[in-house]
Amino acid sequence: DGGITQSPKYLFRKEGQNVTLSCEQNLNHDAMYWYRQDPGQGLRLIYYSQIVNDFQKGDIAEGYSVSREKKESFPLTVTSAQKNPTAFYLCASSSTASNGYTFGSGTRLTVV
Amino acid sequence: DAKTTQPPSMDCAEGRAANLPCNHSTISGNEYVYWYRQIHSQGPQYIIHGLKNNETNEMASLIITEDRKSSTLILPHATLRDTAVYYCIVRVGPANQAGTALIFGKGTTLSVSS
Repeated sequence: DGGITQSPKYLFRKEGQNVTLSCEQNLNHDAMYWYRQDPGQGLRLIYYSQIVNDFQKGDIAEGYSVSREKKESFPLTVTSAQKNPTAFYLCASSSTASNGYTFGSGTRLTVV
Repeated sequence: DAKTTQPPSMDCAEGRAANLPCNHSTISGNEYVYWYRQIHSQGPQYIIHGLKNNETNEMASLIITEDRKSSTLILPHATLRDTAVYYCIVRVGPANQAGTALIFGKGTTLSVSS
């Protein structure tokens, strides 16, 4: 079945360490997105990519970096510059032929 | 993208219809109304979208007013599994989405009880 996979589901890191969250899709979607969600809040856009080797900052890009070397993959790195990295991270993909976004099941990052 | 206004929370009895309202008074002519829902600790799920005609699928119905300034998502027979946060989003259609991304508000928390 086609879908979007985020791994791992839970991730723990020490403060000051960079960490990379994986997002892979086999839907042949051109566009991919990263969102962050804090408790009781809506989703906030971090980065998005419409095509391979191109990406744009969202509303809260500071302290994060991404790459889009392959259509299927859009990894997100949470750097030590991100002041409050503990959150629920969601990846999504879409195409001009799809009705809506397909979301992954999320990665819950806890920095201690 | 046009801003939307939703009530923060709603309650519904199991088996009854859940009617979730959304105001989008600044919607543009080429913007669609999208609905997503997010069950606790999962990724949001697409429900339905429409431009100006009412729409129905296996999950829900979408009623858009004639002036397109508001809409209602209807879950005809709510179950406990429909308890979730429901997001109403207004944006351009899929064919014109290049260079843009979905912007989520806080949505409506629907609680379905037995």
